[in-house]
Amino acid sequence: AQSVTQLGSHVSVSEGALVLLRCNYSSSVPPYLFWYVQYPNQGLQLLLKYTTGATLVKGINGFEAEFKKSETSFHLTKPSAHMSDAAEYFCAVSDPNAGGTSYGKLTFGQGTILTVHP
Amino acid sequence: GAVVSQHPSWVICKSGTSVKIECRSLDFQATTMFWYRQFPKQSLMLMATSNEGSKATYEQGVEKDKFLINHASLTLSTLTVTSAHPEDSSFYICSARDWTDSYNEQFFGPGTRLTVL
Repeated sequence: AQSVTQLGSHVSVSEGALVLLRCNYSSSVPPYLFWYVQYPNQGLQLLLKYTTGATLVKGINGFEAEFKKSETSFHLTKPSAHMSDAAEYFCAVSDPNAGGTSYGKLTFGQGTILTVHP
Repeated sequence: GAVVSQHPSWVICKSGTSVKIECRSLDFQATTMFWYRQFPKQSLMLMATSNEGSKATYEQGVEKDKFLINHASLTLSTLTVTSAHPEDSSFYICSARDWTDSYNEQFFGPGTRLTVL
């Protein structure tokens, strides 16, 4: 079974500071990895994803994440935080080999709320 | 592209009534849609997987007779909360997979806030 751990349910940074949101996963095979952002009372929007190929992936709004197989991590970073980045962020994994009733399912982490101070 | 809509965005109903929530993929065909429930300040909990033309697959602990799911076309899935009670109040989110996608990416709807009085 897969699992996702997001270290830190709340992260607070100053505007202009580095954003680092941590995600570690447990999986028997290299999974597909996703970061989603959720603004209050809205659905989830995909920031970026890793499936195959280059391990450093760039997403929207200046975010990027690096897949590190040896560390089973997929941390999300942004060099300079903006006030509009304040939201909740979810890391999710999917088993590329899953079949049957598990086909296509995502396993989510518990989420990290990012607060950006002026 | 890859837009998913939900209707209604919010609904208030009386205890004992039924509520239907629609999830539509607007610009792609979705053979599979997912229904999630999200409690305040918590992550998404998968309720069921909806496959076009077949019965939904429910997660353990989810009452299939209470949460009726129908996926009658490649662009529409519905969730009906039957005989709703206050404990069913929650934020319900659907997502859809593009049948041409190989990487399990899900596109999410904006969610439906259900309040049962």
